Amino acid sequence: DVKVTQSSRYLVKRTGEKVFLECVQDMDHENMFWYRQDPGLGLRLIYFSYDVKMKEKGDIPEGYSVSREKKERFSLILESASTNQTSMYLCASSRTNYGYTFGSGTRLTVV
Amino acid sequence: KQEVTQIPAALSVPEGENLVLNCSFTDSAIYNLQWFRQDPGKGLTSLLLIQSSQREQTSGRLNASLDKSSGRSTLYIAASQPGDSATYLCAVIKGAQKLVFGQGTRLTINP
Repeated sequence: DVKVTQSSRYLVKRTGEKVFLECVQDMDHENMFWYRQDPGLGLRLIYFSYDVKMKEKGDIPEGYSVSREKKERFSLILESASTNQTSMYLCASSRTNYGYTFGSGTRLTVV
Repeated sequence: KQEVTQIPAALSVPEGENLVLNCSFTDSAIYNLQWFRQDPGKGLTSLLLIQSSQREQTSGRLNASLDKSSGRSTLYIAASQPGDSATYLCAVIKGAQKLVFGQGTRLTINP
């Protein structure tokens, strides 16, 4: 089975800190995605990537950046964390025209 | 813009009942449709993927159907069990390999 691993299950950071969320997949999928999930707002796409060094903005990219230096790894970066970025962050990967596999999520709290 | 609607938002049934969860989408030009399950505080687990050329998929007690012309999918759960209690999410995959999610159906199976 495809496995998508997110490095942290829970994370607490201070306002203004630079935060890195890491995601690794082990099945050579070309597509990788970062979503955030908030009560009442559902899942919203932040950034995605079709290939190494490629990135595309999703629906809510403001305040975030991403890095994909290797095919298996997709990092989400919060340049200067703010309290409104407190959320559940979900990483996913897919092979084109096939289904998605999600990681177990990182619950980030910014204080 | 593709919109995905899930009805009902919440459902509570006694153990052993067969039940149907509904998903509708506004744009029939989709590639695939995927059903997920999410337990509280956890990531998404893929249940069934229906590719655009297919009309249904089955896995154990689960059966999902897809009618692209009417913009509808249903998830049928047979002989429900308390362990089936979770939020069920429907998502369509359209252009650019991006998932568009419904808001989910929160299912409770009462022993």
